[in-house]
Amino acid sequence: RKEVEQDPGPFNVPEGATVAFNCTYSNSASQSFFWYRQDCRKEPKLLMSVYSSGNEDGRFTAQLNRASQYISLLIRDSKLSDSATYLCVVNGGGYSTLTFGKGTMLLVSP
Amino acid sequence: NAGVTQTPKFQVLKTGQSMTLQCAQDMNHEYMSWYRQDPGMGLRLIHYSVGAGITDQGEVPNGYNVSRSTTEDFPLRLLSAAPSQTSVYFCASRSDLRGEQFFGPGTRLTVL
Repeated sequence: RKEVEQDPGPFNVPEGATVAFNCTYSNSASQSFFWYRQDCRKEPKLLMSVYSSGNEDGRFTAQLNRASQYISLLIRDSKLSDSATYLCVVNGGGYSTLTFGKGTMLLVSP
Repeated sequence: NAGVTQTPKFQVLKTGQSMTLQCAQDMNHEYMSWYRQDPGMGLRLIHYSVGAGITDQGEVPNGYNVSRSTTEDFPLRLLSAAPSQTSVYFCASRSDLRGEQFFGPGTRLTVL
């Protein structure tokens, strides 16, 4: 089983839609979790950290399910500017154990 | 703050040539790392450093060397370039193990 798995997509949605991505991880000892956003030919940038109780930042909601070892990202009222690749990142605790998923591509159309 | 800076932005090398990719950060971060990103492979860790004078290997270190003489700088050296090293290289830094990782804009390297 791969360490961090994501559906590569692309997810094609119209503006205003709600879309959700899931990410599964294999290391049950993982300690921290993040969603990063990467625009085409740009560097990844932190979108939000994922907390055990779940957290929200505007139109974005992140959830963590430790029992099933997955995290999710929900985007409400999608905008054209949300089109990007979303990377799931899991930190096992040590420096070298920051593991990136391969990303899920989102395309929002008018 | 400039954040994490990388030079050059683009580079073309011939097989067997050597070169150094530069990375600098002005956030006084202890932790720095180098990744390569290839289509379908995601980001893979090449080398990392937990402070000046301390470096270690990541997932794909072969063919690359690093050094960390100062907190600010973390250059990546390609010893003898091979076509398999054609990739986009990102340098990153963070202040602690649980914190946000900041990436540089990347270097797009082609080895012919």
